[in-house]
Amino acid sequence: QVQLVESGGGLVKPGGSLRLSCTASGFDFSDYYMAWIRQAPGKGLEWISYITGTTSTTYYADSVRGRFTISRDNAKKSLYLQMNRLRAEDTALYYCARERAYGDGHSYFYHMDVWGKGTTVTVS
Amino acid sequence: DIQMTQSPSSLSASVGDRVTITCRASQSIDNYLNWYQQKPGRVPKVLIYAASSLQSGVPSRFSGSGSGTDFTLTIGNLQPEDFATYYCQQSYSPPRTFGQGTKVEIK
Repeated sequence: QVQLVESGGGLVKPGGSLRLSCTASGFDFSDYYMAWIRQAPGKGLEWISYITGTTSTTYYADSVRGRFTISRDNAKKSLYLQMNRLRAEDTALYYCARERAYGDGHSYFYHMDVWGKGTTVTVS
Repeated sequence: DIQMTQSPSSLSASVGDRVTITCRASQSIDNYLNWYQQKPGRVPKVLIYAASSLQSGVPSRFSGSGSGTDFTLTIGNLQPEDFATYYCQQSYSPPRTFGQGTKVEIK
């Protein structure tokens, strides 16, 4: 069964740090880009970061660049998000998601087809 | 960064209605556009990718169209389980930005 399970959320003071984890099962983890997306209470979805499958190239949203670091351990089938210098506005439900590629060898269309249930981060 | 703007922000519709949601990108994104559905308290679910490709298992009453900067999600014959919030997202270039969402409510 294809599944993603996040952990590591909690209550942290402004300026503090937290490390989120996402454990994958049921698919070949190293074949996929992986992403973190968050959703503040009552708000919309915000894409935060992604990491490629084997080269571990990373990209970040402006709102977290320089404070958050995405990483992965393919042997452990795990994705991580190290969050430093946390702010009140980082309070959200954090989802990890698998990015599936659809393409013809020339162009690839990425979409998030598997999501975890999320882990809650509260900065207060 | 590419900005994604959805309209309307919310709408009221009845079961059986045909509903159209629009998403506009701040620059051309070819057809690198995805649509997601999120029900209250639930995880988002992809409906459409590459602007018009239906995700496996998604009912055929959902369809997507558009290219460049203007895109549309259409729900034909709205069903009770379709009342949710819908988001567009571009995958043309990082950051892979989402629209602000469109809430479809029961009239």
